[in-house]
Amino acid sequence: QVQLQESGPGLVKPSETLSLTCTVSGGSVSSGSYYWSWIRQPPGKGLEWIGYIYYSGSTNYNPSLKSRVTISVDTSKNQFSLKLSSVTAADTAVYYCARRLRYGGGIDYWGQGTLVTVSS
Amino acid sequence: QSVLTQPPSVSGAPGQRVTISCTGSSSNIGAGYDVHWYQQLPGTAPKLLIYGNSNRPSGVPDRFSGSKSGTSASLAITGLQAEDEADYYCQSYDSSLWVFGGGTKLTVL
Repeated sequence: QVQLQESGPGLVKPSETLSLTCTVSGGSVSSGSYYWSWIRQPPGKGLEWIGYIYYSGSTNYNPSLKSRVTISVDTSKNQFSLKLSSVTAADTAVYYCARRLRYGGGIDYWGQGTLVTVSS
Repeated sequence: QSVLTQPPSVSGAPGQRVTISCTGSSSNIGAGYDVHWYQQLPGTAPKLLIYGNSNRPSGVPDRFSGSKSGTSASLAITGLQAEDEADYYCQSYDSSLWVFGGGTKLTVL
């Protein structure tokens, strides 16, 4: 059974960089069959796609966040990570890591989500 | 403002049928991209409900069905149950970008 688990600080100060890691178990980030992604959900609001990474390291980001986002993968640890720079209160959200089948599928596995609050 | 438009809320009595619409444009749904649907129960992560417009993952009851036509897609739920009360999101693609609907809150009366 595939499991994804987010980890990282729950509180980040304005203007600093938010950093989260997703640890994958029961599956491999080195698989060429999947995109590994980050999605966020501000409190009481809808889902927003942040971006994804493929095992080769190629990435694709939401244009609205592209200038501040970096997603990377560590195949040796079976993890992928998110960095979001220059955060403001608008970046306060539950952050989910998730997996999507590269061809023909939806987002089939999600982490439980982690709340990141931006506040001084 | 979401790229895909969903009604903010729908409701129905137990046993009834409800539908949730997802309206896009010629650059996303209308361009032939697949539509997926997710169910999010309170306090939990979203769960894949329908993929590829009309396919159900293993374990999803056949009370849930999806369809797509033109620039829109729909999720239908028949035999409504109290446990179906949740937020529902559609998701598709706009070129290489992933786009979501704003979500629909389903209330079971």
